[in-house]
Amino acid sequence: AQSVTQPDIHITVSEGASLELRCNYSYGATPYLFWYVQSPGQGLQLLLKYFSGDTLVQGIKGFEAEFKRSQSSFNLRKPSVHWSDAAEYFCAVGGHSGNTPLVFGKGTRLSVIA
Amino acid sequence: DAGVIQSPRHEVTEMGQEVTLRCKPISGHNSLFWYRQTMMRGLELLIYFNNNVPIDDSGMPEDRFSAKMPNASFSTLKIQPSEPRDSAVYFCASNRQDEKLFFGSGTQLSVL
Repeated sequence: AQSVTQPDIHITVSEGASLELRCNYSYGATPYLFWYVQSPGQGLQLLLKYFSGDTLVQGIKGFEAEFKRSQSSFNLRKPSVHWSDAAEYFCAVGGHSGNTPLVFGKGTRLSVIA
Repeated sequence: DAGVIQSPRHEVTEMGQEVTLRCKPISGHNSLFWYRQTMMRGLELLIYFNNNVPIDDSGMPEDRFSAKMPNASFSTLKIQPSEPRDSAVYFCASNRQDEKLFFGSGTQLSVL
């Protein structure tokens, strides 16, 4: 069965520092991979997605993620964090067959300090 | 486009009462998903529809939960009778095939 593990429940970084959020997945075939962000009281917004091709994908708000098949990972990175990046981040995995539902990790809460 | 619209935003009810959550997907989207979010279990898929047909409801916790999609622009998730452990945020999401998923703002349900 497919699953997603986000090992860090909560991360705190200083504004301007770099960020890496970890994501490991389990999937029987080549997966579709996603990162979503959730601000308090809001739904989830897509940051970026990987379907195929270049394993380094760029997303909105300066985020990027790298797909590493050998490590079953899809870590999210940002070189310089802004206070507005404080939110909950979710990694998700899905299949290639049409509208299959996504399986989400439990999320990583990011706090940004001055 | 107004996005995925969910109502109500907040619902407080007493144990044993019936609760109905509503969702209007984005026009043109042919798939609709109901998720439940809790601190303990994260985001769980409850049920999803393709072209108004329920495809997989294995995530529905028990018979107290039911979902319908009578047409392409409306879906309901009903809990009858509700219990305190049903308290959670319920999200509806929709998409077109192979396109990104759009989420509603969720319904915060509190069962007292």
